[in-house]
Amino acid sequence: DAGVIQSPRHEVTEMGQEVTLRCKPISGHNSLFWYRQTMMRGLELLIYFNNNVPIDDSGMPEDRFSAKMPNASFSTLKIQPSEPRDSAVYFCASSRGGPNTGELFFGEGSRLTVL
Amino acid sequence: AQSVTQLGSHVSVSEGALVLLRCNYSSSVPPYLFWYVQYPNQGLQLLLKYTSAATLVKGINGFEAEFKKSETSFHLTKPSAHMSDAAEYFCAVRISGNTGKLIFGQGTTLQVKP
Repeated sequence: DAGVIQSPRHEVTEMGQEVTLRCKPISGHNSLFWYRQTMMRGLELLIYFNNNVPIDDSGMPEDRFSAKMPNASFSTLKIQPSEPRDSAVYFCASSRGGPNTGELFFGEGSRLTVL
Repeated sequence: AQSVTQLGSHVSVSEGALVLLRCNYSSSVPPYLFWYVQYPNQGLQLLLKYTSAATLVKGINGFEAEFKKSETSFHLTKPSAHMSDAAEYFCAVRISGNTGKLIFGQGTTLQVKP
């Protein structure tokens, strides 16, 4: 089975531009998580979904960030407008839930650079 | 609130030496604890998990961790380091009462010297 698929792997953009990161979770997994990784702050949970419904978005930095999960096989994280401090690696992860809760399967990440 | 603290952001060992990466947790309820590994330019992979079934947990690649409630610790060990073990290691705690939210420690970079 394919793992979690993220795109793009690398994105370089200019301040003020809109950025959309995409994620396809593992088929059959009902929880999806967006994390951000930086040297200064480590791994931060931005938002997570259960059965396509946002459960906790308390980690979303500000209104410039939004996330959607229109169906069980696709999610997006959008930043509009982007700022240099948004530069980071953004990871998507999925989980089957139930007794396996906590076993997250991570994608390879999307490295965002905002100039 | 539940949290984990990893002691030491960098650990360096010689090939063949014991690996010890430290993690302490804070939780008011019995915790579910995890160790993940991140190789360069990759996502995190699960090494092992503690879910209260046994205090000594064995994971992949020869790693194991022991849950010690009296010390609120969940340290990761491996008897003999390999060059391929060089990576960043994260301890994590699952937040109780929800569908799998994990809080990660700051990570420990393991360097293995020849």
